[in-house]
Amino acid sequence: DAGVIQSPRHEVTEMGQEVTLRCKPISGHDYLFWYRQTMMRGLELLIYFNNNVPIDDSGMPEDRFSAKMPNASFSTLKIQPSEPRDSAVYFCASSLGGASLEPNYNEQFFGPGTRLTVL
Amino acid sequence: QKEVEQNSGPLSVPEGAIASLNCTYSDRGSQSFFWYRQYSGKSPELIMFIYSNGDKEDGRFTAQLNKASQYVSLLIRDSQPSDSATYLCAVNPGYSSASKIIFGSGTRLSIRP
Repeated sequence: DAGVIQSPRHEVTEMGQEVTLRCKPISGHDYLFWYRQTMMRGLELLIYFNNNVPIDDSGMPEDRFSAKMPNASFSTLKIQPSEPRDSAVYFCASSLGGASLEPNYNEQFFGPGTRLTVL
Repeated sequence: QKEVEQNSGPLSVPEGAIASLNCTYSDRGSQSFFWYRQYSGKSPELIMFIYSNGDKEDGRFTAQLNKASQYVSLLIRDSQPSDSATYLCAVNPGYSSASKIIFGSGTRLSIRP
């Protein structure tokens, strides 16, 4: 398996523009997570999905952020309109997950990340 | 209080010595615990997980868990320059969001030759 795939790897945009980040999880993984990482705030969980259904979006900063998972192999994170304070590295991760609390089910595999710069 | 706390460092350790990284967590119901390593400009990767009190060893790495003290640590023996990275402690809360893990802010480790 190629692992978690994210695109684009780098995105530079101007304030007010719409930004769409994409993620393909590992095949067979039922859980997909979107994180944001900055020096100031560390790694923050934005939202996660189970079987394509959003489970917890309490980390989404505000209405400018939205995420979808139309099928098991694709998810998007959209920022509209973008602001300079949204500049960060955005990671997508996936895991087997499930009701089991076994750690190996909850190991999250991270994609390479998208470095977003909003000017 | 943050749910998962780590000293941000940097922690500087001479090559060949033992590096000790510490983490505390606030939720007593937490079930499992993870250590991720993140090299600069790269994504986090899992080093070890632990869910029982005591020690778990894997090569040069040892994870230690004390649920009564809500404390988890990572020891790196015979530290190498390639161990220089940020180490993220992560905790599975163990409640209904069984698959969610919460990350600490990370400790930056530097191994000096």
